[in-house]
Amino acid sequence: GQQLNQSPQSMFIQEGEDVSMNCTSSSIFNTWLWYKQEPGEGPVLLIALYKAGELTSNGRLTAQFGITRKDSFLNISASIPSDVGIYFCAGLLNNDMRFGAGTRLTVKP
Amino acid sequence: SQTIHQWPATLVQPVGSPLSLECTVEGTSNPNLYWYRQAAGRGLQLLFYSVGIGQISSEVPQNLSASRPQDRQFILSSKKLLLSDSGFYLCAWSDGQSFNSPLHFGNGTRLTVT
Repeated sequence: GQQLNQSPQSMFIQEGEDVSMNCTSSSIFNTWLWYKQEPGEGPVLLIALYKAGELTSNGRLTAQFGITRKDSFLNISASIPSDVGIYFCAGLLNNDMRFGAGTRLTVKP
Repeated sequence: SQTIHQWPATLVQPVGSPLSLECTVEGTSNPNLYWYRQAAGRGLQLLFYSVGIGQISSEVPQNLSASRPQDRQFILSSKKLLLSDSGFYLCAWSDGQSFNSPLHFGNGTRLTVT
């Protein structure tokens, strides 16, 4: 089940703008993950975070594992039209994975 | 490298008909395997997971069942489909040797029950 609070639910932005989304939980996790899902496809792993406080980048994407182990954020810089999709956070603790409800991102050219 | 194959990509079935969706993983041994369902525009609901051949855990009571006849094969079945079984079904795998390994998803099967 989903026990992560992911926000915002949706975002409508102009091309070139930066994007920020986050996930919070009442439980701690050992791993935080961020996925992107495009229409008709399965989610694809973008970034995996394994240590509290860890800050990791993947191109224009940056994600951080919160120091309390109960939250994570994902930033996208200089958005482009192909960033469109649904972004999911996921927290993992000993093979128990919980997903956020997703952030639907729309980028206007 | 590891790959996951899921088929069919789309399926339209009448109410009351049986269902069989198949998922196979290549390039790894003893993976953890998962079936998720996603309603339109919604999040991911875990249906079943398996840590080994013949070992199936169900997360929610439902009209579906899962089986793992081989190490890298995971099958989702139903004897009689309901309208509410419509959705996007995703298979996923993770490294069975690690407690904190990310899930890797297949491309999904879009099931429409009419």
